[in-house]
Amino acid sequence: DIQMTQSPPSLSASVGDTVTITCRASQTINSNLNWYQQKPGRAPNLLIYAASLLHTGVPSRFSGSGSGTEFTLTISSLQPEDFAIYYCQQSYTPSVTFGQGTQLEIK
Amino acid sequence: EVQLVESGGGLVKPGGSLRLSCAASGFTFNTYGMNWVRQAPGKGLEWVAVIAGSSTSIFYADSVKGRFTISRDNAKTTLYLHMNSLTVGDTGLYYCARQNALRRAAFDFWGQGTMVSVSS
Repeated sequence: DIQMTQSPPSLSASVGDTVTITCRASQTINSNLNWYQQKPGRAPNLLIYAASLLHTGVPSRFSGSGSGTEFTLTISSLQPEDFAIYYCQQSYTPSVTFGQGTQLEIK
Repeated sequence: EVQLVESGGGLVKPGGSLRLSCAASGFTFNTYGMNWVRQAPGKGLEWVAVIAGSSTSIFYADSVKGRFTISRDNAKTTLYLHMNSLTVGDTGLYYCARQNALRRAAFDFWGQGTMVSVSS
């Protein structure tokens, strides 16, 4: 199975900040990398697919980049509603795998 | 509007069985792969299983292989997860999720989940 490693596990930031979360795959996954946001008590929501493409309705302050084994999610000008847990996911193989998550907290 | 509604969760003893259902609406069900993803209390997301639109292709996580069976009834637009030989480690919130091939196989819609608790 392909292992996905996210860093950092948690992150504190203030409204208006720009933050970056990194996701590394244990082998190349080309650009088959997706990002999800999960708020407490809610199901995950798709933010970005194919490493850099914004899902419908997702604000443009979210952006993704990378290919191969290293990927980043950047959130610019943090808003109060952005404080949540973020997961990366590889969809290169049918047996998809998720990263362990990054909790973004308010400083 | 796409809707996915899970049901069938509950409290079961170790070694027991459960069948989860996910009722889908608002899209052409038989043209999408469907997945089960679970989340243990306070933990991250763990993919469980996937089934292709025509049921021709099925894959499982190693942690459930041989114990869980994913299936679908396209006429009823319903996804199922049959779970046998349940252990405490299977406790968690079980989500069904639609997989979109036009979104690089990302999971673009999720249900709200059904809770499975395995305890003696």
